[in-house]
Amino acid sequence: SAVISQKPSRDICQRGTSLTIQCQVDSQVTMMFWYRQQPGQSLTLIATANQGSEATYESGFVIDKFPISRPNLTFSTLTVSNMSPEDSSIYLCSAPSEGDTEAFFGQGTRLTVV
Amino acid sequence: GDSVTQMEGPVTLSEEAFLTINCTYTATGYPSLFWYVQYPGEGLQLLLKATKADDKGSNKGFEATYRKETTSFHLEKGSVQVSDSAVYFCALSDNFGNEKLTFGTGTRLTIIP
Repeated sequence: SAVISQKPSRDICQRGTSLTIQCQVDSQVTMMFWYRQQPGQSLTLIATANQGSEATYESGFVIDKFPISRPNLTFSTLTVSNMSPEDSSIYLCSAPSEGDTEAFFGQGTRLTVV
Repeated sequence: GDSVTQMEGPVTLSEEAFLTINCTYTATGYPSLFWYVQYPGEGLQLLLKATKADDKGSNKGFEATYRKETTSFHLEKGSVQVSDSAVYFCALSDNFGNEKLTFGTGTRLTIIP
């Protein structure tokens, strides 16, 4: 299994500012994933972060709003830029297990934009 | 594209009742199927999984069988406990070397004593 540490666990931010969320995995993984869980809703994939190349974004998400870094095989960051109240969500990072038959999740970052 | 349709909630049951949460999916190929659980105030955890047709995943008294003919992966438990109160998500991943997950909408389960 993989242990994923995510921080911060929660934050309250002013609109117009940016927040960077960090995700650390205790083993090397090829791909990492960033999800958003809006209040009362399911998880939606934002992007796939690959080491050594640009992230791949899902429909409705763009790099200018959600820039992602992946400097090595155990670490990734997601930045939520120029925040508005609509960005208030839980953001989760995820990485597949060895053999890629299941995914492990960080504890999530609960973001509130005021 | 892939999609997961999950029984709408919330669901409220008495302790020791039988639980079924329905989940059906649409996918090309042969996906792997999962149930994830999110307990109050906690992160998302894998509850059980099945990677091929007719596989049965089980954990903590919960079971789900991968039914290819009906494209379903219904979650069942014979006798629920108050501690099972949580949000349950059905999910799939395709097996084309792409491990991203497609989630259902989630079902909030509340068990009353």
